[in-house]
Amino acid sequence: NAGVTQTPKFQVLKTGQSMTLQCAQDMNHEYMSWYRQDPGMGLRLIHYSVGAGITDQGEVPNGYNVSRSTTEDFPLRLLSAAPSQTSVYFCASSTGTSGRPYNEQFFGPGTRLTVL
Amino acid sequence: AQSVTQLDSHVSVSEGTPVLLRCNYSSSYSPSLFWYVQHPNKGLQLLLKYTSAATLVKGINGFEAEFKKSETSFHLTKPSAHMSDAAEYFCVVSLYGQNFVFGPGTRLSVLP
Repeated sequence: NAGVTQTPKFQVLKTGQSMTLQCAQDMNHEYMSWYRQDPGMGLRLIHYSVGAGITDQGEVPNGYNVSRSTTEDFPLRLLSAAPSQTSVYFCASSTGTSGRPYNEQFFGPGTRLTVL
Repeated sequence: AQSVTQLDSHVSVSEGTPVLLRCNYSSSYSPSLFWYVQHPNKGLQLLLKYTSAATLVKGINGFEAEFKKSETSFHLTKPSAHMSDAAEYFCVVSLYGQNFVFGPGTRLSVLP
């Protein structure tokens, strides 16, 4: 099993550009999520999905879109990048029930994004 | 609403001495609790988890944590620090049916 994979590992964007961060998992997990990590703030939930075709907002969703067309993939789209979106982004997956994770989450290696 | 407090943003210990990383949570119900470790420029790895079984939980690399409901605490300990333990540690709380909530993290430095 590859676990949770993320691409790219690094990305530099200019303000106003758009891009998609890719996330895939091969564990057949129902629950997938995106976090951003900023110094001193831990990880904050951006969006999450409890299954194919179902997504919802987390704590900091503004400026980001997600979709979940398959169980395996959960891409994160930046619509118009801003310097405030400079961060490290982590994708995670978990077994779930009642629409939420009930066990530990497995994390991808992260994408380091810089917006100039 | 649930929340997590990690009382120390940075802890520094000497190699071979005990490690204590503190975590307190706020939750109306019995939560699931986790400790994750993040080495520099890496992803997050699960150290251990508490899910309402034994209150003393043993994890990987000699770490353990004790769930104390009366103190709403879940402190992480290790008897003897190793240089490879230098990393960022996150305490995480989750209620059944709720998303995870992360603490702000504690950076552990291990001095030779």
